[in-house]
Amino acid sequence: KNEVEQSPQNLTAQEGEFITINCSYSVGISALHWLQQHPGGGIVSLFMLSSGKKKHGRLIATINIQEKHSSLHITASHPRDSAVYICAVIKANFGNEKLTFGTGTRLTIIP
Amino acid sequence: GAGVSQSPSNKVTEKGKDVELRCDPISGHTALYWYRQSLGQGLEFLIYFQGNSAPDKSGLPSDRFSAERTGGSVSTLTIQRTQQEDSAVYLCASSLDRGDTEAFFGQGTRLTVV
Repeated sequence: KNEVEQSPQNLTAQEGEFITINCSYSVGISALHWLQQHPGGGIVSLFMLSSGKKKHGRLIATINIQEKHSSLHITASHPRDSAVYICAVIKANFGNEKLTFGTGTRLTIIP
Repeated sequence: GAGVSQSPSNKVTEKGKDVELRCDPISGHTALYWYRQSLGQGLEFLIYFQGNSAPDKSGLPSDRFSAERTGGSVSTLTIQRTQQEDSAVYLCASSLDRGDTEAFFGQGTRLTVV
């Protein structure tokens, strides 16, 4: 079983819909990243969070440390949001700073 | 530059040849990571450098893979005697300090072994 699980694996929605992507993890973490990978392969870090909630434009990320769960929300989705969204965690072991990745959620927004 | 720079962006090599992939992290970032994304697969960790500490090489898939970071800045990932299964996108990321700060990714090097 992967230490980081994402759902859904694929998501297709109409432009304007509210999108939620979920990430569950089974290890103690010090931080969690949400990454966006564009069709060309480039990766952009959207959020890094260790508690609570962060908002940037139409994107919102939340994390519940007790439940080992994080969600990424996109409001008023747009075709340019189409990408693979990847959840990645940093395990809470000192000196073990490498990211452990989920398998990604492929989001397609239809005009 | 303002971001993480990787070169080359694409590399096609013959099986058995050696390749070198380069990463220029953001200036001042002490942490540098190499990851690999094989076709249809998720991202996997390869190696991590933090300042002058010994690198974490636990993700390197075989002894054909090595990496160094000179002067705490530029890093080179070397793959010797390339195999077809080495074909992947190799991504470099850097962060200001330890891994619990934001990571910035390069555009990657797409390696194709023929």
